[in-house]
Amino acid sequence: AQRVTQPEKLLSVFKGAPVELKCNYSYSGSPELFWYVQYSRQRLQLLLRHISRESIKGFTADLNKGETSFHLKKPFAQEEDSAMYYCALSGTGANNLFFGTGTRLTVIP
Amino acid sequence: DVKVTQSSRYLVKRTGEKVFLECVQDMDHENMFWYRQDPGLGLRLIYFSYDVKMKEKGDIPEGYSVSREKKERFSLILESASTNQTSMYLCASSSRTGGAYDEQFFGPGTRLTVL
Repeated sequence: AQRVTQPEKLLSVFKGAPVELKCNYSYSGSPELFWYVQYSRQRLQLLLRHISRESIKGFTADLNKGETSFHLKKPFAQEEDSAMYYCALSGTGANNLFFGTGTRLTVIP
Repeated sequence: DVKVTQSSRYLVKRTGEKVFLECVQDMDHENMFWYRQDPGLGLRLIYFSYDVKMKEKGDIPEGYSVSREKKERFSLILESASTNQTSMYLCASSSRTGGAYDEQFFGPGTRLTVL
C-alpha cells in the first residue's frame, strides 16, 4: 500500500532562515512525487514534481530512493512562502494522487 | 488557462438531505477527482473518473456516489448527508497523457456544513 508521511503539521521559521519540509513515502514500485501548495484564500496548485528536477520560487526537492524521502527545501524563507504544503505520490501508470496530511509553514517577519 | 469551477463556495444542509456538488472543467481533461480536505488529515480521495460514465472508488467512498454524464462535468452526491460529512470538498482535473506525470488542477472548493 502507498503512504505519504509529513511528520510536521506546523512549521515556523524566521524570514531569511533555511526551511525544510519533510516528506517520506512508502511504495513498492517507482513513484512519482509532487509538492502541492495552497496559499491563503487560493486554490491548491502544483509547486514542483521530482521528474522535472526544477526549482520553483526558490524551492527544490530531491527524491532519495534509499531513504524514501522527498523533502522540500529553500535556503532563505520569505514571508510569501507562508502556506499549506502537501506532498503527494502517484504510482506507476496511475492517474490518481495520494496526499500526505500537509504541513502549514509560517514565515515570521 | 485551466479553469475548474465548483457550483458553490459554501453550502449548509441538514442531516438526511441529498446533496449535489457540481464540478466543471473547461480544458477537455479526461480525469476528474473529488477529494475532501480536513485539518490534520490532508486530502483524501473520494472518487475519480477517467472517462465519461466511468468511475473508480478512492480511499473514502462510503456515503458518496458520483456521476459523470459529460466529459466536462463531475458530480459528487451525498445520498443522505450526515454531520461527519461536514468538510471542504475539492474537485480536480487532469489530462491523461502519460499517466503519473500530469498535474492536477483544482477548483476553489466547497465548504459543506451538515447540521
